[in-house]
Amino acid sequence: KNQVEQSPQSLIILEGKNCTLQCNYTVSPFSNLRWYKQDTGRGPVSLTIMTFSENTKSNGRYTATLDADTKQSSLHITASQLSDSASYICVVSLLNSGNTPLVFGKGTRLSVIA
Amino acid sequence: DTGVSQNPRHKITKRGQNVTFRCDPISEHNRLYWYRQTLGQGPEFLTYFQNEAQLEKSRLLSDRFSAERPKGSFSTLEIQRTEQGDSAMYLCASSFVEGHYGYTFGSGTRLTVV
Repeated sequence: KNQVEQSPQSLIILEGKNCTLQCNYTVSPFSNLRWYKQDTGRGPVSLTIMTFSENTKSNGRYTATLDADTKQSSLHITASQLSDSASYICVVSLLNSGNTPLVFGKGTRLSVIA
Repeated sequence: DTGVSQNPRHKITKRGQNVTFRCDPISEHNRLYWYRQTLGQGPEFLTYFQNEAQLEKSRLLSDRFSAERPKGSFSTLEIQRTEQGDSAMYLCASSFVEGHYGYTFGSGTRLTVV
């Protein structure tokens, strides 16, 4: 069964600190993996997208890693800001899928406090 | 083109009433998707269109739900005889056909059934 599991479910950190969010997947055939940021009451916004051959990708203070062998990904946030408070959703795309091409994790709820 | 647009942003309706949401995708995108998201969960797939053709519907899409994309541009999602369990965020996304790149979400319509 195609699944995406994220951990932790929620996380509270102090402003300025770093954090790492985890994503494990059992999706096959794999096409790409994306991390989205979703503010409360808003739609998800893409942070990074990585294909099978990419190990790391950065977007400002966000750095995503991918280990396609162990089927794990992480999202590292550096020097967190209050505006980083949001849900972070890991999404895996199926290769050559004509339908339901994306498998969503339930997200990690990050709260950055002063 | 400013991205995927959804209207209304919020809708409060009484149980038993019908509601209709609209999604305007990125104009170059062939595919349009509808998702439902409840609090603390990732988006759940409802249905998707390629141009004007509705290619798949999830079993979550009961006979009270109907979606259209009459000219392959904007789409509407209608819920008839709303129930309290329909309260959720309804998200629209669009993408190119190939590789699912450019997968972009709208800001969603928050439905509250009272």
